[in-house]
Amino acid sequence: GEDVEQSLFLSVREGDSSVINCTYTDSSSTYLYWYKQEPGAGLQLLTYIFSNMDMKQDQRLTVLLNKKDKHLSLRIADTQTGDSAIYFCAESLYGQNFVFGPGTRLSVLP
Amino acid sequence: NAGVMQNPRHLVRRRGQEARLRCSPMKGHSHVYWYRQLPEEGLKFMVYLQKENIIDESGMPKERFSAEFPKEGPSILRIQQVVRGDSAAYFCASSPEGPRNIQYFGAGTRLSVL
Repeated sequence: GEDVEQSLFLSVREGDSSVINCTYTDSSSTYLYWYKQEPGAGLQLLTYIFSNMDMKQDQRLTVLLNKKDKHLSLRIADTQTGDSAIYFCAESLYGQNFVFGPGTRLSVLP
Repeated sequence: NAGVMQNPRHLVRRRGQEARLRCSPMKGHSHVYWYRQLPEEGLKFMVYLQKENIIDESGMPKERFSAEFPKEGPSILRIQQVVRGDSAAYFCASSPEGPRNIQYFGAGTRLSVL
């Protein structure tokens, strides 16, 4: 079955860049997503990328997709304390069958 | 445009009681998804519904759990005879007609079973 893997923890200093990595197994995935979950809250869609793209940039966020290696990353430039949250990688096939990773807990140190 | 609304935000039940979780999708959305998040884990898909139809319930436990999305009113996730292991955050998401590439999530219902 499909599987999405992420490292569970990441710590960075305020102002540095954060890179959160994700690997997935389903080569037929058409969309890959990054969601952010703050404590006690639901999931907020940050960005998504079509599987035929290899990069997408949106302000401080850069998503890189290596389809050959089934590797997705999210780079947050100039990380701020407000970026501290859990970041979930997810994949879907045409918007169905969403599979989420376990989440990476990002801690931003002052 | 209000987002996905879930209520209650917190629900406490004793073992053996029933839990009813409600989800109102975003306006114009006719597809609803339920997920369960156990402590320190990611989201696990439970069920996908359209109005009056269950499309995919492959993630639903075989017993005690049921879901509906009636023609009028919110989607309901119902858990009968709750047990401690049902304690989790339950999230609802919705997506519009047509390409369903984006799911918008509610804030979740946190169920605690005493």
